[in-house]
Amino acid sequence: SYELTQPPSVSVSPGQTASITCSGDKLGEKYTCWYQQKPGQSPVVVIHQDTKRPSGIPERFSGSNSGNIATLTISGTQAMDEADYYCQAWDSSTVVFGGGTKLTVL
Amino acid sequence: QLQLQESGPGLVKPSETLSLTCTVSGGSISSSSYYWGWIRQPPGKGLEWIGNFYYSGRTYYNPSLKSRVSISVDTSKNQFSLKVSSVTAADTGVYYCARHHSGYEYAADYWGQGTLVTVSS
Repeated sequence: SYELTQPPSVSVSPGQTASITCSGDKLGEKYTCWYQQKPGQSPVVVIHQDTKRPSGIPERFSGSNSGNIATLTISGTQAMDEADYYCQAWDSSTVVFGGGTKLTVL
Repeated sequence: QLQLQESGPGLVKPSETLSLTCTVSGGSISSSSYYWGWIRQPPGKGLEWIGNFYYSGRTYYNPSLKSRVSISVDTSKNQFSLKVSSVTAADTGVYYCARHHSGYEYAADYWGQGTLVTVSS
């Protein structure tokens, strides 16, 4: 079955740029989305179709997907961005999640 | 505004069957634009996809759970349900229902609040 791999943790200083990667075989040939999950809350989609932001998601969130790697980038990271982030791909009507990355803003 | 609400027992005994229902309000589960499904999250761990259904009646399951899982639909009540049989402690976690939007290339744009299910005697 298809697998997505994320780094367990990423750290970033406030105001800097955070990059979270998601790798999978020929991932660039699929659409990837990204979820943000804060403690005790349901996940929220922050990027869909590789690069698109839903309404209400700040412009500092952006995405890319090429080759075997999709990347979520948070520019000018704020303390409120500290959360777990999950990538997801859709593969033949089935859902695949990455293992999640804990973003720490320190 | 679309809302999804999970309901069901919060405690299930080992070897028994876990049953949950997702009630959808503010939209129809019979639309061709969406898949509807279940996702779970063990305590302190990541998201795990359980399964989906499409309005046509097709269902899709995580291969690792397929032998124990079933999703059923009641369009008259705008609800869909999950059953997981022969549960163990490993099935403990928060269970979410969600909508996957074709316009988002099947990102889950709406989630329920989640319900904690504990498997314990």
